[in-house]
Amino acid sequence: QKEVEQNSGPLSVPEGAIASLNCTYSDRGSQSFFWYRQYSGKSPELIMSIYSNGDKEDGRFTAQLNKASQYVSLLIRDSQPSDSATYLCAALNSGYALNFGKGTSLLVTP
Amino acid sequence: KAGVTQTPRYLIKTRGQQVTLSCSPISGHRSVSWYQQTPGQGLQFLFEYFSETQRNKGNFPGRFSGRQFSNSRSEMNVSTLELGDSALYLCASSGTGGPSYEQYFGPGTRLTVT
Repeated sequence: QKEVEQNSGPLSVPEGAIASLNCTYSDRGSQSFFWYRQYSGKSPELIMSIYSNGDKEDGRFTAQLNKASQYVSLLIRDSQPSDSATYLCAALNSGYALNFGKGTSLLVTP
Repeated sequence: KAGVTQTPRYLIKTRGQQVTLSCSPISGHRSVSWYQQTPGQGLQFLFEYFSETQRNKGNFPGRFSGRQFSNSRSEMNVSTLELGDSALYLCASSGTGGPSYEQYFGPGTRLTVT
């Protein structure tokens, strides 16, 4: 079974701090990876995609990919209370399907 | 651009009934995927359609089926509903190929089976 693993949390960080979310995957055939944010009662919202080793930055978000270690991470700088949500890591398999982790709950405290 | 739309948003059905859910992708997107989200199992892939062809199917029983129309709109059907089918059903559309293949989700249909 190809899996994506995330720490369920909750991860609690103070406002203004850097939140670090991590994810590992088992399918070496996966080439693209995604971070989604999901607020309670809402659908997942795409934050970042990454498919090359290294870092990709978009505003306060930085995604990092290390294919050798099968590791993906998301850094959120200057965390805000509005960032409090569940963050889902997903890997795209060869059949165009996203394999999702169970998500990490992030709580940003004022 | 308008986002992915799904109808209905909420549905209550009785065991044994069948249900059809509808999804309209982002304009220009030709790929539509369906996912089931439950508290216990998380998000699980159901199937993916591109240009009216099912390219992949997840590990769900044959009671779950889908189709895509020539305008890229998609429907999924669940027959002989079971209590365990209660879930949030999410549709996602994608317009890109290659290594990225970003998928954008609709608001979902909340199905409750009683």
